[in-house]
Amino acid sequence: KAGVTQTPRYLIKTRGQQVTLSCSPISGHRSVSWYQQTPGQGLQFLFEYFSETQRNKGNFPGRFSGRQFSNSRSEMNVSTLELGDSALYLCASSPWGGATNEKLFFGSGTQLSVL
Amino acid sequence: AQSVAQPEDQVNVAEGNPLTVKCTYSVSGNPYLFWYVQYPNRGLQFLLKYITGDNLVKGSYGFEAEFNKSQTSFHLKKPSALVSDSALYFCAVRNGNTGKLIFGQGTTLQVKP
Repeated sequence: KAGVTQTPRYLIKTRGQQVTLSCSPISGHRSVSWYQQTPGQGLQFLFEYFSETQRNKGNFPGRFSGRQFSNSRSEMNVSTLELGDSALYLCASSPWGGATNEKLFFGSGTQLSVL
Repeated sequence: AQSVAQPEDQVNVAEGNPLTVKCTYSVSGNPYLFWYVQYPNRGLQFLLKYITGDNLVKGSYGFEAEFNKSQTSFHLKKPSALVSDSALYFCAVRNGNTGKLIFGQGTTLQVKP
């Protein structure tokens, strides 16, 4: 089975621009979660989607949004980029999401640099 | 509120010595606890989980973790460290009601030969 695939691997943008990141979960997985990783803040939860519905949301501004398609693929969008948005964005999938004993499968991430 | 604390930014240990990476948590209801490891330029990989049952949980690569309810801790341990264990380790707690999985700040483990 193919793992979680995130594209692109690297992105360079300038302040004020917007960006869209893509995540393809493991086949059969219906839950996709997004995390932001920075050296100072560690791993911060952005949101989780299950069956095209946002099920959980972290404490990020409205500039961060996401969606999930019927094939479980997910996209994350950040509008009006700020320097502080520079980070590694990780996507993780799981079969059902939210189940207490369920582990996440992570992609390698998209490294976003905002100049 | 739900939170995880990893009090040490970095842990240094000599190869062959036992290692401990600390984690404390706060969550409403029963805690569902996890450890993940991240190698350079990679995503996170699952190591082990505690849901219920024995307080000592065994996981991948010889790692184990001890759940202590009274101290709200879930420390990661290994009897004999390897240089290849050097990586970034994350503790996480899942809220049983919302399903949200929250991670700690991470602890860098450095094992020296």
